[in-house]
Amino acid sequence: DAKTTQPTSMDCAEGRAANLPCNHSTISGNEYVYWYRQIHSQGPQYIIHGLKNNETNEMASLIITEDRKSSTLILPHATLRDTAVYYCIVISYNNDMRFGAGTRLTVKP
Amino acid sequence: DAGVTQSPTHLIKTRGQQVTLRCSPKSGHDTVSWYQQALGQGPQFIFQYYEEEERQRGNFPDRFSGHQFPNYSSELNVNALLLGDSALYLCASSSLAAQETQYFGPGTRLLVL
Repeated sequence: DAKTTQPTSMDCAEGRAANLPCNHSTISGNEYVYWYRQIHSQGPQYIIHGLKNNETNEMASLIITEDRKSSTLILPHATLRDTAVYYCIVISYNNDMRFGAGTRLTVKP
Repeated sequence: DAGVTQSPTHLIKTRGQQVTLRCSPKSGHDTVSWYQQALGQGPQFIFQYYEEEERQRGNFPDRFSGHQFPNYSSELNVNALLLGDSALYLCASSSLAAQETQYFGPGTRLLVL
């Protein structure tokens, strides 16, 4: 079973920041928070991951709370091509990924 | 540098038949994981192969089996197909030794009639 809770769907205006929350209250000390997204019927695409510290790459930023029980994925300037299902996954070293239902993000013009 | 590739892209089978799906990992990766994604749901972990052996397994029946070859490529076999096996089958590769991120292929869409 997935160890994360995400809203079922969210909307965002094009050009604005999209903030996608994720709760992972049972996360263990050696577990990372990973984010993937899946654009209609394609394979999931890796976005970003983190352990304790906030992370940023060319696609997004990941903000992890100090107690590590929740995190937020931030797409700074959402475009129509960012419309997808976003999955937040908690995973330990053994790489056994358990996906939930994810958040369906719709970016609107 | 090729990413993860899967073949075929689409497949149609009938109930009771057997199917073999193939996956080539990203260059430098030694671990292959397989997932099943039914329509409207998130991917479900089937199993993972490392050093040509099944390392972990999700909650799938023995009809689902796999193999990993010395070149790290992998096959997923499903016997006695059921209508409920219709899904997108995803392969992901990673480097276990390097604790590297899993990267997914485009998937094989299987339709069982």
